[in-house]
Amino acid sequence: TQLLEQSPQFLSIQEGENLTVYCNSSSVFSSLQWYRQEPGEGPVLLVTVVTGGEVKKLKRLTFQFGDARKDSSLHITAAQPGDTGLYLCAGAMSRNQGGKLIFGQGTELSVKP
Amino acid sequence: DAGVIQSPRHEVTEMGQEVTLRCKPISGHNSLFWYRQTMMRGLELLIYFNNNVPIDDSGMPEDRFSAKMPNASFSTLKIQPSEPRDSAVYFCASSLEWNTEAFFGQGTRLTVV
Repeated sequence: TQLLEQSPQFLSIQEGENLTVYCNSSSVFSSLQWYRQEPGEGPVLLVTVVTGGEVKKLKRLTFQFGDARKDSSLHITAAQPGDTGLYLCAGAMSRNQGGKLIFGQGTELSVKP
Repeated sequence: DAGVIQSPRHEVTEMGQEVTLRCKPISGHNSLFWYRQTMMRGLELLIYFNNNVPIDDSGMPEDRFSAKMPNASFSTLKIQPSEPRDSAVYFCASSLEWNTEAFFGQGTRLTVV
């Protein structure tokens, strides 16, 4: 059972286009983290959102946490070839749910020049 | 700090052999995670330790898999006997607390032939 559904799984776009990646769950998380993974490396944290409705911006990347803390989105404006990579969302379960960090299946993004 | 250190980086073994993967977490981190990553299933949580104690091992596929954390600076994941379907990249990650940023090692690419 996949607790975190991430979509789309694959995305191939042209440089300059905008895109949105979604992360959905029926579970409530204490926080939602977004990671980026390069080939041959482990995932690296981009941002953590904690409060329902929270919006965080990182240059051309905008992250949003749903009001109910069950879903999140990542929006990239004017994508560049350097944005190519695997993007992963991860939900931190509450302490009384075990406190573990679970990942979505990831979105493989390819930005063509 | 050198970050999370995993060894070996690559392991090729024959079916039926015992495999031991090693992890040194970042000093001072209280939580340690073992994940397995495949194209089909993404990044799956195998087991999670907090203060060296296994908190959740529900992701461990079967009895062939076992993990230990004898002290705060070392953990092992053992597969015995190994099978071809165990082939994957295994990641170790550590975090300061249960819901903070997870720092990943570079992973061990395991191939069982």
